[in-house]
Amino acid sequence: EAGVAQSPRYKIIEKRQSVAFWCNPISGHATLYWYQQILGQGPKLLIQFQNNGVVDDSQLPKDRFSAERLKGVDSTLKIQPAKLEDSAVYLCASSLDPGQPQHFGDGTRLSIL
Amino acid sequence: AQSVAQPEDQVNVAEGNPLTVKCTYSVSGNPYLFWYVQYPNRGLQFLLKYITGDNLVKGSYGFEAEFNKSQTSFHLKKPSALVSDSALYFCAVRDMNNNAGNMLTFGGGTRLMVKP
Repeated sequence: EAGVAQSPRYKIIEKRQSVAFWCNPISGHATLYWYQQILGQGPKLLIQFQNNGVVDDSQLPKDRFSAERLKGVDSTLKIQPAKLEDSAVYLCASSLDPGQPQHFGDGTRLSIL
Repeated sequence: AQSVAQPEDQVNVAEGNPLTVKCTYSVSGNPYLFWYVQYPNRGLQFLLKYITGDNLVKGSYGFEAEFNKSQTSFHLKKPSALVSDSALYFCAVRDMNNNAGNMLTFGGGTRLMVKP
């Protein structure tokens, strides 16, 4: 079974620029998650989708972050404009349903200059 | 609110010796508990989970974890460590009674170093 695919693997931008990340979950997985992992910390949930609907976005900084999963499969996460504090690894994960173990992609490492 | 504590930033063990990585949790209801492992520049890999039933849970790569409700702990163990077990380990908890979308909360991680 193919795993969770994420692109790009690395991204370097200057502060105040915009950036977008893409995630393709495991086929058939209805639940999709975006996490932010700052160096030396555990992942922090940003947003959770169930099919194409948002289940939890309570920790998403909505003034600059947005995410969508229009057709209930692929998802994109956008930051506009980026701040220095957004430097982190952005992980996408998926699961069959919210009660099942999550499968993670390898992440996108974002560096803000 | 739910939370996880991993009190050790790093655990050092010699190859062939038993290892323990500690985790304590706090939830208002009953917990779902998970252990994940992360290798450099990779995403997290699921190791094992506790939902209900036997307090000793067996998982991938010879790892196991013991749920202790009175001590609110879920320590990860392996009888004989391998050098290839060296990685970052994360404990995570979800409140079974959480109505806010089943959010998983991760601990800060423990780096396991297994020396030959």
